Amino acid sequence: GESVGLHLPTLSVQEGDNSIINCAYSNSASDYFIWYKQESGKGPQFIIDIRSNMDKRQGQRVTVLLNKTVKHLSLQIAATQPGDSAVYFCAEKEKDSWGKLQFGAGTQVVVTP
Amino acid sequence: DAGVTQSPTHLIKTRGQQVTLRCSPKSGHDTVSWYQQALGQGPQFIFQYYEEEERQRGNFPDRFSGHQFPNYSSELNVNALLLGDSALYLCASSPRRVEAEAFFGQGTRLTVV
Repeated sequence: GESVGLHLPTLSVQEGDNSIINCAYSNSASDYFIWYKQESGKGPQFIIDIRSNMDKRQGQRVTVLLNKTVKHLSLQIAATQPGDSAVYFCAEKEKDSWGKLQFGAGTQVVVTP
Repeated sequence: DAGVTQSPTHLIKTRGQQVTLRCSPKSGHDTVSWYQQALGQGPQFIFQYYEEEERQRGNFPDRFSGHQFPNYSSELNVNALLLGDSALYLCASSPRRVEAEAFFGQGTRLTVV
């Protein structure tokens, strides 16, 4: 998977605005993708998932978009709230490789009042 | 439902020592995966256990070993600890379905001095 140094990309968002977090994945054999939210001192928390045969999936205040042509995944958060401040990871699973998730580098989201 | 529980929460060990971390999966889950998360990075897959056997393994040396018990709980053992083993160790559990989301515990913070 991707590995980065200690400095995570940071997205600063004003409370109430929409957030878009991007992720590039590397494995064209991946068939399942998940977005996780990780708050300080906690384990990753499931947000939303999408299969490779879909382009878009919506949840509560969140939307995931998948572009397989350019191997790009995005997470949109509507009306961002202070509680959305966290590190967000995308994860991919290779087809027939059940349960083994490959995580991206992560994006730090900071919500300002 | 207690979710995924890990113990201990924090641990300090000396180089060369051995450590055992423990994980109890979410109720109804029979598969356990272990991840290592270095500071500022995404989790890296170590291995996965199902039916008391290691099913998949990531790119980690043999110093990392594990076990799964009949009640689905699991242990991660690391021998001959190195300073570089300092990290947050995450346990994730899931039912054995192709697209099941993995539920993560809060992790064990291991510091090697």
